[in-house]
Amino acid sequence: GAGVSQSPRYKVAKRGQDVALRCDPISGHVSLFWYQQALGQGPEFLTYFQNEAQLDKSGLPSDRFFAERPEGSVSTLKIQRTQQEDSAVYLCASSPPLGDTQYFGPGTRLTVL
Amino acid sequence: SQQGEEDPQALSIQEGENATMNCSYKTSINNLQWYRQNSGRGLVHLILIRSNEREKHSGRLRVTLDTSKKSSSLLITASRAADTASYFCATDVVTGFQKLVFGTGTRLLVSP
Repeated sequence: GAGVSQSPRYKVAKRGQDVALRCDPISGHVSLFWYQQALGQGPEFLTYFQNEAQLDKSGLPSDRFFAERPEGSVSTLKIQRTQQEDSAVYLCASSPPLGDTQYFGPGTRLTVL
Repeated sequence: SQQGEEDPQALSIQEGENATMNCSYKTSINNLQWYRQNSGRGLVHLILIRSNEREKHSGRLRVTLDTSKKSSSLLITASRAADTASYFCATDVVTGFQKLVFGTGTRLLVSP
């Protein structure tokens, strides 16, 4: 595709529900990143994949957050037992081999009631 | 946690004026990048400056980098209403892979 796509664009969940957020990176991009952006703040790093390998998950806020990229393309960020503090925009980005620039998707705005 | 601060937090100017935003960071970097974010949308990459560069231009954008002061500035010349957005600096810290650490952002409003 032309760019990074994410779905859904908006998600409302009741506290305690599980959610799954999808990211389709640009074709051929081996690196994939997830970021969390709270209202009025800059994005904060969650996790990084190189192909299917999750090389860094140091930014995941708790063990309720889980990310996967089983075939080295599409990635899913799963949040179990959502809490109100999980409300944020979740951004996905990808970059090509040896590339410095990350290309961001439009984000998924998650609201936990 | 955020890498550093951006200054000012908000900036309001008239079309045709120049806008200057500053960014400070804390750790050694490979490069520093500036991104724009329109309300409710994703981030758009504007410009990248490497740690061994001091100034870079791209169209109406001018970026400077002072690694001794751990600071950068973004200048937008002859601003337009379409430049209204939030601007973030992001540092690519020295970790072995490209992990971006973002600043807190500057909200720019350009009035016609």
